[in-house]
Amino acid sequence: DAGVIQSPRHEVTEMGQEVTLRCKPISGHDYLFWYRQTMMRGLELLIYFNNNVPIDDSGMPEDRFSAKMPNASFSTLKIQPSEPRDSAVYFCASRPVDGNYGYTFGSGTRLTVV
Amino acid sequence: AQSVTQLGSHVSVSEGALVLLRCNYSSSVPPYLFWYVQYPNQGLQLLLKYTSAATLVKGINGFEAEFKKSETSFHLTKPSAHMSDAAEYFCAVSRPPGGYNKLIFGAGTRLAVHP
Repeated sequence: DAGVIQSPRHEVTEMGQEVTLRCKPISGHDYLFWYRQTMMRGLELLIYFNNNVPIDDSGMPEDRFSAKMPNASFSTLKIQPSEPRDSAVYFCASRPVDGNYGYTFGSGTRLTVV
Repeated sequence: AQSVTQLGSHVSVSEGALVLLRCNYSSSVPPYLFWYVQYPNQGLQLLLKYTSAATLVKGINGFEAEFKKSETSFHLTKPSAHMSDAAEYFCAVSRPPGGYNKLIFGAGTRLAVHP
């Protein structure tokens, strides 16, 4: 099992540009989560999906952020337009529905908006 | 509402010494509790979890944690620190289905191990 795969590992973009972060969860995992990690705010849950359906997006900071999960093996987090304060490490995580509530995290995408 | 508080943002121990990282939770119902470790430039890795079975939970790399309901605590310990244990450690809490399904993290404790 390759684990949760995120791409790209690093992204540097200019303010105002659109940024798309990608995640492939572990096969068979029914839940997918997007987290953001910053020094100031720690780990924040942005949104999570169950069986490809967004369940809770209350952590999405602004309308500039959107997330989709078109199928069980792929999710995207998009920021449009990006701002310097969006600079952070974005993690994707997945877990199965079988009662084991430990998540498996990807290695993250380090986003820098200049 | 539920949350988790980690006491001490930085902990420093000598190699071979006891590691104790503190975590207190607040929850209106019995929670599930977790410890994760994050090495530099990596994602979070599950160390151990408490899901209402045995109160003393053993995890990977020699770590263990004890759920104490009376103290609302879930402290992480390791008898003898290794240099390779230097990392950031996160305590997290969630509630079983029927409530919400989120994993809420504490602010983290950075563990330094010196020779």
